[in-house]
Amino acid sequence: DIQMTQSPSSLSASVGDRVTITCRASQSISSYLNWYQQKPGKAPKLLIYTASSLQSGVPSRFSGSGSGTDFTLTISSLQPEDFATYYCQQSYSLPDTFGQGTKLEIK
Amino acid sequence: QVQLQESGPGLVKPSETLSLSCTVSGGSISSYYWSWIRQPAGKGLEWIGRIYTSGSTNYNPSLKSRVTMSVDTSKNHFSLKLRSVTAADTAVYYCARVMTVAGNIDYWGQGTLVTVSA
Repeated sequence: DIQMTQSPSSLSASVGDRVTITCRASQSISSYLNWYQQKPGKAPKLLIYTASSLQSGVPSRFSGSGSGTDFTLTISSLQPEDFATYYCQQSYSLPDTFGQGTKLEIK
Repeated sequence: QVQLQESGPGLVKPSETLSLSCTVSGGSISSYYWSWIRQPAGKGLEWIGRIYTSGSTNYNPSLKSRVTMSVDTSKNHFSLKLRSVTAADTAVYYCARVMTVAGNIDYWGQGTLVTVSA
């Protein structure tokens, strides 16, 4: 299985901050990397697919980059509704695997 | 707008079979992969497996010996069976739609908590 490692595991930030979350794959996954946002008690929501494509309806302050083994999710200016847990997922090789999550908290 | 809704017992006894169904509305079930993903309380996401509308399946090797998925295109629903459950199978179970090419999950059910307990 491909291991996905996110960093940091948790992050405190303020409204308006620029935030970057990193996801590293244990082997190359080309651009088959997706990002999800999950709020407590809710299902995950797709933000970014194939590393850098913004899902329809997702605000443009979210962006993704990377290929191969190293990927980043950037939120350009944090809004109150962005405080949540973020997961990366590789869909290059079965079984699909997820990172352990990054919890973004209010400073 | 595509919607997915899980249904099934919220409590299953150890050693028995967990059975869940997912009904898809607002769109056709055809020509997509459909997945089950679970999340133990306070933990991360685990991919259980997927089924294509043809009935072709892929399962997580860690669960493969206990999992069966099926699809009924006439009823726009798909199902999960997990045999010989233990407390470690207690989790919120999500059904989801998977895009065929990129493998990203664009629609999720709300999730259903299944507790394994005597």
